[in-house]
Order: sequence, then structure tokens, then C-alpha cells
Amino acid sequence: AQKVTQAQTEISVVEKEDVTLDCVYETRDTTYYLFWYKQPPSGELVFLIRRNSFDEQNEISGRYSWNFQKSTSSFNFTITASQVVDSAVYFCALSEAGEYGNKLVFGAGTILRVKS
Amino acid sequence: DTGVSQDPRHKITKRGQNVTFRCDPISEHNRLYWYRQTLGQGPEFLTYFQNEAQLEKSRLLSDRFSAERPKGSFSTLEIQRTEQGDSAMYLCASSPGTSGSNEQFFGPGTRLTVL
Repeated sequence: AQKVTQAQTEISVVEKEDVTLDCVYETRDTTYYLFWYKQPPSGELVFLIRRNSFDEQNEISGRYSWNFQKSTSSFNFTITASQVVDSAVYFCALSEAGEYGNKLVFGAGTILRVKS
Repeated sequence: DTGVSQDPRHKITKRGQNVTFRCDPISEHNRLYWYRQTLGQGPEFLTYFQNEAQLEKSRLLSDRFSAERPKGSFSTLEIQRTEQGDSAMYLCASSPGTSGSNEQFFGPGTRLTVL
């Protein structure tokens, strides 16, 4: 069965600090996809990134970076020089690649509070 | 840019009443998903459609829940005889292809409160 664990329920940082959000996943499939979504106070989920299980290259997009390690089944998300606008709930999610397996399995989310 | 839209955004109903929510996916997206999100939790999968065919339903989708996607365009989610435990945010998402790699684009959700 698929499972995503985000052990950090809530993180508070001061603006300009770096922060890492942890994500650990479980799946029996060899082909799967991992996602991060952001849910700001407005409530709408915003897609941030997708990685497939065969691509372990880390990715950087502006202040955001992602570290995918299959050996530890982790897909961590780092925000560099955090800003108040980064305050939101962040969800890690997993999708298997089978024909009927495209549903997303989400973690419980991490609330990030960035204080000025 | 037309994203996923959902209607209504908020619904307050009394226990035992029926409610229906609508989702309009991004044009030409052939996959449509329904999720439910309760306070402090991540979204949980309910069901999804490939065009007009409903391909998978979660165990969370009791007999009181039914979803349709006539003609493979918009979708409706109906809850009959609502219970207080049905209070949640109901999210709709769509994706363009059949591959699991395609990201899902979410609508703003319908917040249901059952009194």
C-alpha cells in the first residue's frame, strides 16, 4: 500500500532563514511519481514539482530545491531565504504509474509559518 | 487562463439533506478526480473519471455518495442523507493525459458544513 509521511506538523521560521520540509514515502511499485503541492490560506492547491522514480537528480527552482533519495525513500523540499509569502501548508504526494493508479496519495501536510 | 472551477464554494446544509457539487475541469483534460480534505489532513482520494468512465472509487465513497461525468466534461458529486461526518472540503482536480506523471490541477474546492 502507498503511504506518505510528513513528520513535521508545523514549522516556524523567521524570514530569510532556510527551511527543509521532510517527506518519506512507501510504495511497492518500481515506477512512481512524487509531487509537492502548496496550499496557501486561500485554500487552492498549487502544484510545485513532480519527480519520477527513475530520476534522482536534485532540482532547484529559484529559492526552492528538492532532494530525492530512493535509498531512504525520501523527497525533501528546501526553501532558501524564506519569505512571509511562503507561509502555507505544504503537501507531499505519491502516484503510482499503473493504468488505474494515478490517484494521488497525500501526506498530512506541514504548516510553514514565516515570521517577519 | 481558465483553471478548474467548482460550484458552490460553500454549502451549509442540515443533516439528512441531499447536496450536489459541480466541477468544471480544464478544457480537454480527460481525467477528473474528486478528493475530500478534512481539517488538518491532506486530501483523500474519492473517485476519478477517464472521460465519462468512472474507473476507480475509494472505500471512502459510501453508498450515499455518487459521482457522474456525463459526456466527459463537467462532473457532479452528490451526497445523499448528509451526516455531520461529511463536513469537509471537497476538491476536484483534472489532468491532461493518461500517464501518472501528469500533475493534477486543483480547483478552489467546495466547503461543506453539515449542521
